[in-house]
Amino acid sequence: QKEVEQNSGPLSVPEGAIASLNCTYSDRVSQSFFWYRQYSGKSPELIMSIYSNGDKEDGRFTAQLNKASQYVSLLIRDSQPSDSATYLCAVNSPGGSTLGRLYFGRGTQLTVWP
Amino acid sequence: ETGVTQTPRHLVMGMTNKKSLKCEQHLGHNAMYWYKQSAKKPLELMFVYSLEERVENNSVPSRFSPECPNSSHLFLHLHTLQPEDSALYLCASSQDEGSTDTQYFGPGTRLTVL
Repeated sequence: QKEVEQNSGPLSVPEGAIASLNCTYSDRVSQSFFWYRQYSGKSPELIMSIYSNGDKEDGRFTAQLNKASQYVSLLIRDSQPSDSATYLCAVNSPGGSTLGRLYFGRGTQLTVWP
Repeated sequence: ETGVTQTPRHLVMGMTNKKSLKCEQHLGHNAMYWYKQSAKKPLELMFVYSLEERVENNSVPSRFSPECPNSSHLFLHLHTLQPEDSALYLCASSQDEGSTDTQYFGPGTRLTVL
């Protein structure tokens, strides 16, 4: 069973602060990692993808990957109330019939208060 | 608005009804997916189609029957469902079913089984 673990939250931060979202995964051979944002009642929307160890920055978002620790995180700088949503970590594990299969965590609910 | 559309957006059905969910992608992708999202549970992969062939059935009960007539359309036929099947059903597509291919989600169908 391939597992993806996230703190369910809720995580509450003030406007302008840095929000830090964490995710661990069980399959050591996982290759691709994704962060999706899901507003209440809406479908998941891709925020970031990361494939190599290190940091990847896109605007206010930074994804960090450490394959040795089986850990991926998402930092949101200068958090805004519009960032309030559930953030889903997804891990893609390759190999045989499971090629291209995304495994999702339960999501972390983030609230940014003004 | 995403390039993946789903209809209907909401569906209420009795346990003896037969209904179908429709998904259409306008992105020229080759792979399509059905997911189930229940409250407080991670997104669960149900079916994967690649180039119109089913490549995975993730132990889904036979009361759910997928159909992929071409690479742009995906259906989920429902019959004799149970109340515990009430959930958000999400369709997604990706360029191919490779481990680095990003999956893009449709808006989902909120299903209630009475």
